[in-house]
Amino acid sequence: GNSVTQMEGPVTLSEEAFLTINCTYTATGYPSLFWYVQYPGEGLQLLLKATKADDKGSNKGFEATYRKETTSFHLEKGSVQVSDSAVYFCALSVYNNNDMRFGAGTRLTVKP
Amino acid sequence: EAGVVQSPRYKIIEKKQPVAFWCNPISGHNTLYWYLQNLGQGPELLIRYENEEAVDDSQLPKDRFSAERLKGVDSTLKIQPAELGDSAVYLCASGGADTEAFFGQGTRLTVV
Repeated sequence: GNSVTQMEGPVTLSEEAFLTINCTYTATGYPSLFWYVQYPGEGLQLLLKATKADDKGSNKGFEATYRKETTSFHLEKGSVQVSDSAVYFCALSVYNNNDMRFGAGTRLTVKP
Repeated sequence: EAGVVQSPRYKIIEKKQPVAFWCNPISGHNTLYWYLQNLGQGPELLIRYENEEAVDDSQLPKDRFSAERLKGVDSTLKIQPAELGDSAVYLCASGGADTEAFFGQGTRLTVV
């Protein structure tokens, strides 16, 4: 079946540190890949996405590259801010299926 | 454009009582999802609709949970009777053809 595995947290970083949150997937067919973010007290919102191999999604300084050869979609940011503190979810959806599956989430805390 | 609207935001009930959650998806979105999110975990799919048809309800505990999406727009998720272990956040999301899911704020259920 389709599934996503992401690195367990929590992750605590100092402001301006480099961030990587690992995500790997298993899918039948050709998935689109997503990163969602959930800020404290808010709902899930899309951070970025990539729909085919080698695509790079980016938003708010975050990036992730769809790597078919390693079935990965790792989230990166070069310099995190306190306002990036949130829970990050990796997700996939198989084309023409709309079956969205989520990872367990990684809680990021950025300290000043 | 209005987002996905869920109500109520919070609900506290005694065990063995019934409870219902309501969701109004984004206009024009044919796909509607109900997810369960336990504390510290990712969303887990309960049921997915394409228009008014439930195309994936394999994870819905049908002995106590039911859902409907009459006319392929609004949806209601019901639990009867509720158990202590049902305490969680219930998320509704909607999506168009081959797009990401857009989430509502969720309903936080506490069963006492």
